[in-house]
Amino acid sequence: EAEVAQSPRYKITEKSQAVAFWCDPISGHATLYWYRQILGQGPELLVQFQDESVVDDSQLPKDRFSAERLKGVDSTLKIQPAELGDSAMYLCASSSRTSGALDTQYFGPGTRLTVL
Amino acid sequence: QQQVKQSPQSLIVQKGGISIINCAYENTAFDYFPWYQQFPGKGPALLIAIRPDVSEKKEGRFTISFNKSAKQFSLHIMDSQPGDSATYFCAAKDTQGGSEKLVFGKGTKLTVNP
Repeated sequence: EAEVAQSPRYKITEKSQAVAFWCDPISGHATLYWYRQILGQGPELLVQFQDESVVDDSQLPKDRFSAERLKGVDSTLKIQPAELGDSAMYLCASSSRTSGALDTQYFGPGTRLTVL
Repeated sequence: QQQVKQSPQSLIVQKGGISIINCAYENTAFDYFPWYQQFPGKGPALLIAIRPDVSEKKEGRFTISFNKSAKQFSLHIMDSQPGDSATYFCAAKDTQGGSEKLVFGKGTKLTVNP
């Protein structure tokens, strides 16, 4: 069964350092999402890509966060500089308009970020 | 502003019992309502979903009841099992502005005692 891959699974960094997370969506999925999930809360969308284009980044803190999906396949989310409040689970999801379940978003296992 | 309100925050049920989780929303533009199940350290996994033109959907032990006029929907887990112990999130798809983001509730931690 195809899955969304994410790495690393865990990342510990110090405040003001740069961190990067990688996501490989399910093959053929044109839509890719990055969500942030704070402990005890539901996921919140940071950015949505359709192929290589950003569809929605209204909730992305652009002064420190950036995201790219250069070839419309895998994606990288970067934080620079990291702040204590960035400690959270970062989830990647993908979906396909060509599949039978048009609205299903499939989530990866996430990257647990701890900022010290 | 919380667009999807979920309750209860936590729920303890005995094995074989019925678990019920409720969600309410305000935005009538929402057009798809999934429920996700999340185990500790894992990403959310789709459990069951419904569109607003249907009042009920059942898949095995899991049923969604949807009340469009009240803007409420709920998840019922019949014959709850210890393996169902997880956090459950309701969500709604928001298509405004060209995106198709899911707006999640805050989650319900379900514990099923043996």
